[in-house]
Parts: sequence; C-alpha cells; structure tokens
Amino acid sequence: SAVISQKPSRDICQRGTSLTIQCQVDSQVTMMFWYRQQPGQSLTLIATANQGSEATYESGFVIDKFPISRPNLTFSTLTVSNMSPEDSSIYLCSVGLAGLYNEQFFGPGTRLTVL
Amino acid sequence: DQQVKQNSPSLSVQEGRISILNCDYTNSMFDYFLWYKKYPAEGPTFLISISSIKDKNEDGRFTVFLNKSAKHLSLHIVPSQPGDSAVYFCAAVVIQGAQKLVFGQGTRLTINP
Repeated sequence: SAVISQKPSRDICQRGTSLTIQCQVDSQVTMMFWYRQQPGQSLTLIATANQGSEATYESGFVIDKFPISRPNLTFSTLTVSNMSPEDSSIYLCSVGLAGLYNEQFFGPGTRLTVL
Repeated sequence: DQQVKQNSPSLSVQEGRISILNCDYTNSMFDYFLWYKKYPAEGPTFLISISSIKDKNEDGRFTVFLNKSAKHLSLHIVPSQPGDSAVYFCAAVVIQGAQKLVFGQGTRLTINP
C-alpha cells in the first residue's frame, strides 16, 4: 500500500480566491489522480496527474479552473481557481500501484468550503 | 449518465446479522470491480475487489458476488460489527488505459447493537 497525506485538511475560502491543495506520497508511484466529492454525492474524477506532462482532464473539468502540477513521482498539487460556493467539496488525491489488482489508495481529503 | 449505481442511500442492520450492499452498472466494458469503505473525515479505504471473469471473491467476513448477465454486484458482510458502520462505495474500472475508477453514490451502513 501507500501512505498519502494532503494539505490542508480543510479550509474556508472567500469567493473569487484560489486554493492549492498538496498531495504527498511516501513512495514513488506511477499514477496519481484527483477526485471531487460534492456534498452527498459520489466521487468524481477530475484529472489524472501525469509526471512531466500536462494532466489529463475528465469531461466537465478544465485546466484553467483546476490547474494541476506533478513535478515528481511522489508529489502533486491541485489548485481550485476563482472559487465559487459550488466548489465547496471534499477534494481527494489517490494513487494507483501497479500489480495491486487495480485498486487505488486515497488520501484523507481536503474539505473546502467557499463562502 | 450514471454508469455505476447504488440505489440504496442507507441501510440499517443489527449487529451479528448479514449486511448486503448492492450495486448495478451499465457499462459492459468494466472488467474490474471494487468496494471501498469511508469513515467521516477520512479518505476511502479499499476493501475487496473482483475481476469480471469471476463470480465470487471472499476475504474474511467480506464476500463480493458478481452477476455479469444482470450487471449487478453485491457485498456481503457477515457477521456485521459496529465498526462496519461507514459509507460503502462500489467502483468499477476498465483495465486497459488510464485505470479510471467510476464510483457509485455510496450506501451508508449503520450497524445497530
């Protein structure tokens, strides 16, 4: 398995501002992902964070709104830009480990509230 | 288009009895299915999985059943314990390509003493 930490664990932000969420893994991993869980809803994949190249975004998510960096195999950041109350969610990073039956391991999440 | 559905938002079971959580899917390309458990203020934790070429996988108190013809899977927990109280998510993945997990909406399981 992998140990994943996220910072911050929670934040309350004002409309129009941006927040950068960090994800740190205790080992080198090939695949890193960012998810969003809106209140009372399922987890939705935002993007796959690719090391050394641009992230791959899912339908409905764009780089201008959710820029992602992945400078190495243990670290990634997700920025939520120009926030509105609709961005209030839990944001989670996950990693995929090759050979472990395709399961992903999740960080504890960042609970974001936008006022 | 909800490709993975958990139609029961909540389930209440008495301690010691069997808990059965259900999940339906629409995409026949899914070839791997997983169950995650989530406690409040924590990320989802992997519980058990099953390949589409199998119809059952068992791990201790947890068993997952897959019915491909009905596009249905279920998670059985027996006996249920108070620590099993959590939200359970069903997820599916197409192995070829980017290994993107598609999640259901989750079922909140409450085990009553």
